[in-house]
Amino acid sequence: LAKTTQPISMDSYEGQEVNITCSHNNIATNDYITWYQQFPSQGPRFIIQGYKTKVTNEVASLFIPADRKSSTLSLPRVSLSDTAVYYCLVGVGSSNTGKLIFGQGTTLQVKP
Amino acid sequence: DSGVTQTPKHLITATGQRVTLRCSPRSGDLSVYWYQQSLDQGLQFLIHYYNGEERAKGNILERFSAQQFPDLHSELNLSSLELGDSALYFCASSVTSGGATTGELFFGEGSRLTVL
Repeated sequence: LAKTTQPISMDSYEGQEVNITCSHNNIATNDYITWYQQFPSQGPRFIIQGYKTKVTNEVASLFIPADRKSSTLSLPRVSLSDTAVYYCLVGVGSSNTGKLIFGQGTTLQVKP
Repeated sequence: DSGVTQTPKHLITATGQRVTLRCSPRSGDLSVYWYQQSLDQGLQFLIHYYNGEERAKGNILERFSAQQFPDLHSELNLSSLELGDSALYFCASSVTSGGATTGELFFGEGSRLTVL
């Protein structure tokens, strides 16, 4: 099961681009990488998922290098409402044992 | 709205008591996951059910048990409650393909349990 490591916290200012990196050195061949956002007292919400290279949707981009041992969630032009905890999750796909274990997450604080 | 329904939203009880938390997954989702989140802590994986059968267990205490019924709703039973069991309990369901989740979990709003 791939263990993930993220920074505990990050600060940013409104309008800036924020990049949060997650390390997953023992990712399995069939594992996908999924990122979630969680606001206080709410359930996590799916942001983006990828397998390799780059994925982009309306809210974020996900960059995955060729070795797939890390991934970077990029949030363009953050606003105060992006203040939340961000989790990367690895371990889905056929290698999945049925356990989806979240790491500690990164608390992003966006300042005015 | 994720489509996952959890009840009750809030529950206050005393030590030693037993409670049942209920989860209705999104229509068509066969997998249900339960997570515990204590104050300012991360999400602790408890248990996963797939189409009525237990698929995986995490750090779930022996005082806790769960099941998934034929209609796919799930219940998490917490007994002999202790102060430390106070937490948010989340249920999530997921789309599965060939028995494996696609990785997109849909979380409910959680059940906040307070043990006094």
